[in-house]
Amino acid sequence: DQQVKQNSPSLSVQEGRISILNCDYTNSMFDYFLWYKKYPAEGPTFLISISSIKDKNEDGRFTVFLNKSAKHLSLHIVPSQPGDSAVYFCAASEDFGNEKLTFGTGTRLTIIP
Amino acid sequence: EAGVAQSPRYKIIEKRQSVAFWCNPISGHATLYWYQQILGQGPKLLIQFQNNGVVDDSQLPKDRFSAERLKGVDSTLKIQPAKLEDSAVYLCASSPDRGATGELFFGEGSRLTVL
Repeated sequence: DQQVKQNSPSLSVQEGRISILNCDYTNSMFDYFLWYKKYPAEGPTFLISISSIKDKNEDGRFTVFLNKSAKHLSLHIVPSQPGDSAVYFCAASEDFGNEKLTFGTGTRLTIIP
Repeated sequence: EAGVAQSPRYKIIEKRQSVAFWCNPISGHATLYWYQQILGQGPKLLIQFQNNGVVDDSQLPKDRFSAERLKGVDSTLKIQPAKLEDSAVYLCASSPDRGATGELFFGEGSRLTVL
């Protein structure tokens, strides 16, 4: 039972354009969401998070949007840069401070120069 | 600040053999996790420690996997005997109590290949 789903295994975007990565979840108990970025042969690194009391959180070029009614969140990267090429994982937990995370399967983002 | 350290980085064994992975979390982090990431999938939690006590091991295959965290610092994850389906990257992560962002800090992982 995949509670966190990333239906696009891969995405290619031109440098300078917007990258949009999507994530859906099924567990209505999830109320804290995170995005992690992973380069080859490295562990995942935290990128940005959002609590269910918000619908948007922004950090520099990265913005995460949450639509609770649709159980959907998205990560926007503007403008996309070659260094953004990586695998992005969406993760969720049942409350902030409970760092037991359920991860999606990841989306490989490739930025084309 | 030093990150989460894991060893070995790579291990190749034959099925039915045993293997052990070691993790040293970030200093002061009370919570430690072991995740299993099979190729093409997201990380899956195996076990969570709070200091040296187990918080959650519901997804740990206890017939072959064991883990311990002596003195609430370093941790080892053991697989005995290994099966082909145990081929994966084993990620160790740590977090402080009630961290500011709820994030986990991951090590680089230990890649296991079972032949």
